[in-house]
Amino acid sequence: EAGVAQSPRYKIIEKRQSVAFWCNPISGHATLYWYQQILGQGPKLLIQFQNNGVVDDSQLPKDRFSAERLKGVDSTLKIQPAKLEDSAVYLCASSLKGQVWYEQYFGPGTRLTVT
Amino acid sequence: ILNVEQSPQSLHVQEGDSTNFTCSFPSSNFYALHWYRWETAKSPEALFVMTLNGDEKKKGRISATLNTKEGYSYLYIKGSQPEDSATYLCALSGGTSYGKLTFGQGTILTVHP
Repeated sequence: EAGVAQSPRYKIIEKRQSVAFWCNPISGHATLYWYQQILGQGPKLLIQFQNNGVVDDSQLPKDRFSAERLKGVDSTLKIQPAKLEDSAVYLCASSLKGQVWYEQYFGPGTRLTVT
Repeated sequence: ILNVEQSPQSLHVQEGDSTNFTCSFPSSNFYALHWYRWETAKSPEALFVMTLNGDEKKKGRISATLNTKEGYSYLYIKGSQPEDSATYLCALSGGTSYGKLTFGQGTILTVHP
């Protein structure tokens, strides 16, 4: 079974530039999550999709971050414009269902450096 | 807002040593406790999902226990090997959850040959 795919793996941009990350979840997984992990902290949920609908985006900085999940499969996360504090690893995860006891499978992440 | 705390923040052990980490969480609104291992440049890997008070799970040399009444979980590694070097994350599902995980800050384990 193929795992969660993410690209790019690494990205370096200057502040005020835009950047987009892509995620392809495990086939058949209805729930998709984007987490942000800042150095020294645990991952923090940015947005959760159930199929192509948003379930939770309460911690997404909506003035600069946006995300979509096309046709309930792939997802993109965009930052426009980027700030220095956006430097982090962005993790995508998927699960069969969005329930508390279901295992979440993570991709390798995209490491973003904003200079 | 759930607050998940892990200790210690980092740990250095010698190959062959046994070690353990702690994950503390509020005992109310508990649904499930997840442990992940995250090696550098790789995907976080799920180790255990535990839901019941008193749960004990084992995977090879790694085991975990759960006490939901007092709000903690222990992760044990027996006979640490250099390949066990990683960040160990615990995460809680609780409250108004649709599977959302609230993570602790992680314990960085380094096993020296």
